Amino acid sequence: GNSVTQTEGPVTLSEEAFLTINCTYTATGYPSLFWYVQYPGEGLQLLLKATKADDKGSNKGFEATYRKETTSFHLEKGSVQVSDSAVYFCALIPLSYNTDKLIFGTGTRLQVFP
Amino acid sequence: EAGVVQSPRYKIIEKKQPVAFWCNPISGHNTLYWYLQNLGQGPELLIRYENEEAVDDSQLPKDRFSAERLKGVDSTLKIQPAELGDSAVYLCASSQGLAGNEQYFGPGTRLTVT
Repeated sequence: GNSVTQTEGPVTLSEEAFLTINCTYTATGYPSLFWYVQYPGEGLQLLLKATKADDKGSNKGFEATYRKETTSFHLEKGSVQVSDSAVYFCALIPLSYNTDKLIFGTGTRLQVFP
Repeated sequence: EAGVVQSPRYKIIEKKQPVAFWCNPISGHNTLYWYLQNLGQGPELLIRYENEEAVDDSQLPKDRFSAERLKGVDSTLKIQPAELGDSAVYLCASSQGLAGNEQYFGPGTRLTVT
């Protein structure tokens, strides 16, 4: 079946530290891959996405590259800020006719301290 | 542009009571989703509508859960009767047009069943 596994949180960093949140997936074919972010008290927001192998998604200083050979989509940021504190979800949409069902990982809470 | 609106934001009920959640999607979005998010987990799809038609309700526990999207705009999700295990956050999302378009999430309704 289709599933997503990501770094178990919380991840605690000091401001300006380098961030990596690991995400690996199991899926048939080539799914589309996403990172969503949930800030405290807010709804899920799309952070970035990639729809085919070797694509790099980027937004707000965050990046993730679709690696087919390792079935991974790790999230990185070179220098985190306190405002990046949130819960990050890796997700996929399977390659299947007429479906856009998002399948999420369990989420990783990031805490950034000054 | 207004985002996805959900109400209520919080609801506390006793077990065996009925409860209903309401969602107003972004104007022009023909696809509407209801997701269930248990504490510490990623969201899981309950039901997806294309206009007023439920095209994927395979994950909806139909013995106690029901949903409707009359006129293809607003949607209501109902639980009757509620059980302790239904305590969770219920998320509504909407998207426009073709599969794979970005899903925009509302802030969710946090349900507590006592």
